[in-house]
Amino acid sequence: DGGITQSPKYLFRKEGQNVTLSCEQNLNHDAMYWYRQDPGQGLRLIYYSQIVNDFQKGDIAEGYSVSREKKESFPLTVTSAQKNPTAFYLCASSHWTVEEKLFFGSGTQLSVL
Amino acid sequence: GENVEQHPSTLSVQEGDSAVIKCTYSDSASNYFPWYKQELGKRPQLIIDIRSNVGEKKDQRIAVTLNKTAKHFSLHITETQPEDSAVYFCAADSGGSNYKLTFGKGTLLTVNP
Repeated sequence: DGGITQSPKYLFRKEGQNVTLSCEQNLNHDAMYWYRQDPGQGLRLIYYSQIVNDFQKGDIAEGYSVSREKKESFPLTVTSAQKNPTAFYLCASSHWTVEEKLFFGSGTQLSVL
Repeated sequence: GENVEQHPSTLSVQEGDSAVIKCTYSDSASNYFPWYKQELGKRPQLIIDIRSNVGEKKDQRIAVTLNKTAKHFSLHITETQPEDSAVYFCAADSGGSNYKLTFGKGTLLTVNP
């Protein structure tokens, strides 16, 4: 398993705190994605980026922010505005579009203290 | 936006039996339908996909069928083995975007030895 790395594996957030989840890939992929996984809910798209310095909201972007300053990196910030942040967060990348295989990271479990 | 329904949510079969998971989608402009497998504690991985110009695709023991008129597609696993036990997600692209995949809620498949 290599290619796309997420850290940390576990993260705890205090009330009112912003936390940032890291996602790095060395696959030379142009597109990167953030998904949220809740039990029994499948994978829901938070944000995606097709190219450096550009990103688009997904289906559940409220309370989250992202940046794409480098091709290899796509960090996700969970802000205090996200009232229900406890979930498993998966980062993914693809060479260009979703019609090419998505490579997923190993995920970050975020919990609220 | 796209809505993907997946059934059943859980499926238990005996080793050697076949398993079928069904999905329906709402966006008639969708053209790409992948299936991802997520073993316990691991990241999702693409196992098979199908495009709208094809009605069926096979890869060894797994096959996917697509009925564009009815807007449904199915995953078929024959001669199931214990290592097939996992959560399976269907997905469909959003016809207007090459970067958005909408996932079903997943099917937990258990293959009993």
